[in-house]
Amino acid sequence: EPEVTQTPSHQVTQMGQEVILRCVPISNHLYFYWYRQILGQKVEFLVSFYNNEISEKSEIFDDQFSVERPDGSNFTLKIRSTKLEDSAMYFCASRGGVGETQYFGPGTRLLVL
Amino acid sequence: GESVGLHLPTLSVQEGDNSIINCAYSNSASDYFIWYKQESGKGPQFIIDIRSNMDKRQGQRVTVLLNKTVKHLSLQIAATQPGDSAVYFCAEKSQGAQKLVFGQGTRLTINP
Repeated sequence: EPEVTQTPSHQVTQMGQEVILRCVPISNHLYFYWYRQILGQKVEFLVSFYNNEISEKSEIFDDQFSVERPDGSNFTLKIRSTKLEDSAMYFCASRGGVGETQYFGPGTRLLVL
Repeated sequence: GESVGLHLPTLSVQEGDNSIINCAYSNSASDYFIWYKQESGKGPQFIIDIRSNMDKRQGQRVTVLLNKTVKHLSLQIAATQPGDSAVYFCAEKSQGAQKLVFGQGTRLTINP
């Protein structure tokens, strides 16, 4: 069964450093998302991406964040200058052109020191 | 403002019993609802969803009920098994929006 994959599974970085989180959405899906989950809290929406542009973003998704689909399979989230409060699980999700179901990847645990 | 929340943070049931997990939402514009299961260290796993033009939908051992009058959503799991132990999240989406708005989650524990 096709699934969303994410790399790395864990990332430790120093405050102020740039990180790139990578995702491979389900093949032939058209809509891509990033969510995050701070430890013990609910999942929060960051951004959605469709047709090579951002379609919706939250207040969390400020100028430090950017997304890119550099080729036909990868979808990346870049945090330009990480802060301590960026420590969280980051989930990528995708959905097809028909139907609303978003399928989530296993997540990348980001720890900013 | 919009919010999706859960009545109970934890639920403990006996193996073999039925479980009911509840969720309240406040956004009248919500037209799509979904339940996810999250096991420790993993991503949310799709369980079942329902559109606002329905009030009940059944899957394998799971049923979702939607009461739009009181803005209430529930997930029923029949004959609960140890593998059902997880945190369950409801989420909703407004018409025209892309984002899912998640509730806080309910931790389901199965007693042998």
